[in-house]
Amino acid sequence: SYELSQPPSVSVSPGQTASITCSGDKLGDKPVCWYQQKPGQSPVLVIYQDTKRPSGIPERFSGSNSGNTATLTISGTHVMDEADYYCQTWDIKVFGGGTKLTVL
Amino acid sequence: EVQLVDSGGGLVQPGGSLRLSCATSGFMFSAYWMSWVRQAPRKGLEWVADIKQDGSEKYHGNSVKGRFTISRDNAKNSLFLQMNSLRVEDTAVYYCVRESVAPWGGFDYWGQGTLVTVSS
Repeated sequence: SYELSQPPSVSVSPGQTASITCSGDKLGDKPVCWYQQKPGQSPVLVIYQDTKRPSGIPERFSGSNSGNTATLTISGTHVMDEADYYCQTWDIKVFGGGTKLTVL
Repeated sequence: EVQLVDSGGGLVQPGGSLRLSCATSGFMFSAYWMSWVRQAPRKGLEWVADIKQDGSEKYHGNSVKGRFTISRDNAKNSLFLQMNSLRVEDTAVYYCVRESVAPWGGFDYWGQGTLVTVSS
């Protein structure tokens, strides 16, 4: 079965750039989505089709996908961006294990 | 405003059954694929099942295939998940989710989730 790997945790200082990776075999050939989940809340879609932002998602969120790695980048990270982030291959709907982003 | 309201969770013994419901409003329900996604306590997300707009196609994840069945009632704008032969490892928050109409658009709206606990 297909698997996606994410680092368990990433730390960043406020105002800096955070990068969260998602790895899988030939992942660049598959469409990738990213979700943000804050404690006690339902997930929120922040990136779809590798690079697109849904309405209402700040421009500081961006995505890329090439080779075996997809990356979610948060530029000028805010304290409010602290959350768990999950990648997903949309064609088979597999999720990565999630990355806890700490902003401190 | 798009709303998805999950219900039907609770405590059930191993081997038991439960039926989850999702009441939707604020969008044309019959125009969207719908899914169930679950999250075990302190764990990640797992896609469970999805269903086509008219109910003619249904897909279930390997971990629930043969035990869970997704269905929908477009007249009542509602989504369902019938869960049979429940196991301890099915314990999770279950989310009703709308699939975006955009190509490869992701899950664009989520319910608040309903907790299913399988325990003796």
